[in-house]
Amino acid sequence: QVQLAQSGAEVKKPGASVKVSCTASGYTFTSYFMQWVRQAPGQGLEWVGIINPSDRSTSYARKLQGRITMTRDTSTSTIYMELSSLRSEDTAMYYCGRVRCSAGRCSDFAYWGQGTLVTVSS
Amino acid sequence: DIQMTQSPSTLSASVGDRVTITCRASQSISTWLAWYQQKPREAPKLLMSKASNLESGVPSRFSGSGSGTEFTLTISSLQPDDSATYYCQQYDTYPWMFGQGTKVEIK
Repeated sequence: QVQLAQSGAEVKKPGASVKVSCTASGYTFTSYFMQWVRQAPGQGLEWVGIINPSDRSTSYARKLQGRITMTRDTSTSTIYMELSSLRSEDTAMYYCGRVRCSAGRCSDFAYWGQGTLVTVSS
Repeated sequence: DIQMTQSPSTLSASVGDRVTITCRASQSISTWLAWYQQKPREAPKLLMSKASNLESGVPSRFSGSGSGTEFTLTISSLQPDDSATYYCQQYDTYPWMFGQGTKVEIK
């Protein structure tokens, strides 16, 4: 069965970086994109970005460009999301979610990780 | 960026009521729209994709419609388990964007 297992909670100081992982199982890793979504406490969902594990291409939310990097390790079927120069407003639950995309069109948004809480505090 | 605007932000209705949530896109997205349900401390749950395609296992009281810039999510007969926050997401053009959410409460 499809599973997306995320790394554990992180506490970071302002200005530091955080790297969250999402390890996939139960399907062909390179056949599905992975999107990341975050949710600040008491707030709505915010799209962070997406990666194609097959060719490593990425697209990021405009407000995070320059601070965010998504990478993948095909040997372990793991996606990484790294956010640098952390600010208090980056405090949020971060979710990874599998997406099937072909010829520029996407579907199959049903599978999500359990979430990773990132807290930025001095 | 394509902005997504949901209305209302909150709604309170009784069990059995018909409930409608609207999502508007700042430019046409054809039918490249997903609807999610989220309960506290849980990941989003996909209800619908391509505006009106009901996800397997989702109760048939949920339905979606619309194309272009205006979309609706309808719950035909509200149930206690439907108390949650609902989000639309456009996936026509990067960056994909979410609406701000609609919190549905049971009276």
